[in-house]
Amino acid sequence: DGGITQSPKYLFRKEGQNVTLSCEQNLNHDAMYWYRQDPGQGLRLIYYSQIVNDFQKGDIAEGYSVSREKKESFPLTVTSAQKNPTAFYLCASRSVGGYGYTFGSGTRLTVV
Amino acid sequence: AQRVTQPEKLLSVFKGAPVELKCNYSYSGSPELFWYVQYSRQRLQLLLRHISRESIKGFTADLNKGETSFHLKKPFAQEEDSAMYYCALSGRDAGGTSYGKLTFGQGTILTVHP
Repeated sequence: DGGITQSPKYLFRKEGQNVTLSCEQNLNHDAMYWYRQDPGQGLRLIYYSQIVNDFQKGDIAEGYSVSREKKESFPLTVTSAQKNPTAFYLCASRSVGGYGYTFGSGTRLTVV
Repeated sequence: AQRVTQPEKLLSVFKGAPVELKCNYSYSGSPELFWYVQYSRQRLQLLLRHISRESIKGFTADLNKGETSFHLKKPFAQEEDSAMYYCALSGRDAGGTSYGKLTFGQGTILTVHP
């Protein structure tokens, strides 16, 4: 069953700690994306990668880091430098040149 | 820079009434426009894109380059249409290939009352 999987579904973090959100896809999609969803602000792009071992900053990359060592995986690390990390994080993927984005079910991160 | 604006955060209509969700964009090149929908407790999913000019679940959207708009319309709303709707834009190069980076509007919550 092809798709994109985000884990965990809920994540709690203490202030000052880094945390990594997982995103895995078995769709053979080239490009992967991380968005942050906040009420009233829509989805904002954090980072994206169109090819393995390469990625670009989105609109709100500060305080976040990513890696793309495998085509299937695009983990997002929320660092302690991110001032307001509590949010809903969505991962997406698509084929280069394709039009349809496939979204994961999201991870809700709460800083306690 | 590319930008998408959805002026209405909330939109309420009664079942059977027409509905229009507004979307305006700003992009200097040739845009590719989409509407995405997120039903309660479900993943965000593609509803339609302007290139295909198709109608999905009775919804249509026409790209108006003069007004830089891509409004989503449905003549007779149904209760199951209640959801969050996002308009999104992706740039394309001269060859028509999408850049891939998708910019979303703020979203409109549509509520269809019985």
